[in-house]
Order: sequence, then structure tokens, then C-alpha cells
Amino acid sequence: DQQVKQNSPSLSVQEGRISILNCDYTNSMFDYFLWYKKYPAEGPTFLISISSIKDKNEDGRFTVFLNKSAKHLSLHIVPSQPGDSAVYFCAAFFGNEKLTFGTGTRLTIIP
Amino acid sequence: GAGVSQSPSNKVTEKGKDVELRCDPISGHTALYWYRQSLGQGLEFLIYFQGNSAPDKSGLPSDRFSAERTGGSVSTLTIQRTQQEDSAVYLCASSLSGGRVDTQYFGPGTRLTVL
Repeated sequence: DQQVKQNSPSLSVQEGRISILNCDYTNSMFDYFLWYKKYPAEGPTFLISISSIKDKNEDGRFTVFLNKSAKHLSLHIVPSQPGDSAVYFCAAFFGNEKLTFGTGTRLTIIP
Repeated sequence: GAGVSQSPSNKVTEKGKDVELRCDPISGHTALYWYRQSLGQGLEFLIYFQGNSAPDKSGLPSDRFSAERTGGSVSTLTIQRTQQEDSAVYLCASSLSGGRVDTQYFGPGTRLTVL
């Protein structure tokens, strides 16, 4: 039972354009969300997070939006750069330290 | 400083054999996590160690899986009588104190293939 879903396994975006990665969750108890980025043969690295008391968090080119009523979050990358090509995982916490991860979206930035 | 390291990077084994996977967390990190990623799946939580507390083993898929953390540092994940469905990338992560706002730093993983 996949509580965190990333329905797009892959996404291709032209360099310089906006990349939008989406994530849906089913458990309304989740109250802290994170995005991780993973390059091949490396472990995931933390990118950005958002608490459920907020609807937006921004860090440089990366912005995460949270829509609690829709149980949906998205990661916006603008402008997209070739180094952004990676697999992106969204993840969620509720009440404890166990992260629940989505299946990932492979982002390819086309030069 | 050094990040999380894992060994071996790749392991191929025959069905029914036991395997041990090792994780060296970042020095000073009290929390240590094991995850696995099977083909086409997200990262699946396996076990969590925090300081001297009893580990949270709620994610271990069967009693063939066990893990220990010696001296609050190095951890070993052991899979007994491996099955083909155990084939996955096993990832270890550590964080400073285990809180939700504490960043988890991941190692590169061990790719386990069970023939």
C-alpha cells in the first residue's frame, strides 16, 4: 500500500525551463515532507523540506508547494540546469522518525 | 568530514546463503537507519537505531532479517537464507539525533543480487 505516490516515473525538461515534480499522499497524518535527489551510484541527498503548517518553502532555485486539502505536494526547479538531472524522491513523516518514500521521478534536463 | 560509507558496494550471492552488509555512519551521529529499494519501488524503511534505545525493527520484512549496531557506531544488517525477492539496493543513513528535522545522510548503498 503506497502511501506516498509519484505517478510520473520520468520527466524531460529543456534547460532553462521550469521543472515540476509532483507527489501525492494518502495519509492525512503526514505533517512533514521532504524532497531528496539521487544521482546514479550515490545515496539520496536532502534537497528541501516543508512542514504542514506552511504551504510554500523556497530555497534558491527550488520551491516546494504543499496543498493539504488535495494531499499533494510539488517541487519546482527554475531555471532547470543539466546538473539537476537525477531521480527525485518525495518523502513524508508523521509523528515518528520513519520516513515513507515515494517511488521516484527521473528528471532529465535537455541541453 | 567523511560521509556514510557502506560495504560491499555490490554483493552477488546464491539463494539460501547468508549475507552481511555493513554501514559506517558519520562520526557523532546517534541515529542510524536501514532502508532498501527494490526494483520499481520507493525506499522502504527497515530498522532504526537511536543511541542506546531499543531499535525500531518494525520495518523488517521477515525474521530472516536482523541488524545490530555495535558501540553506537558501525551497523551490520544480516539476511539469513537469502531469497530472490531480497534482491535490492540496501541503503544506510545516519542523522545527528534522529529528529524529523534532522537531515538523514545516506550512504551509496549495497546492491544485493540473489541468484
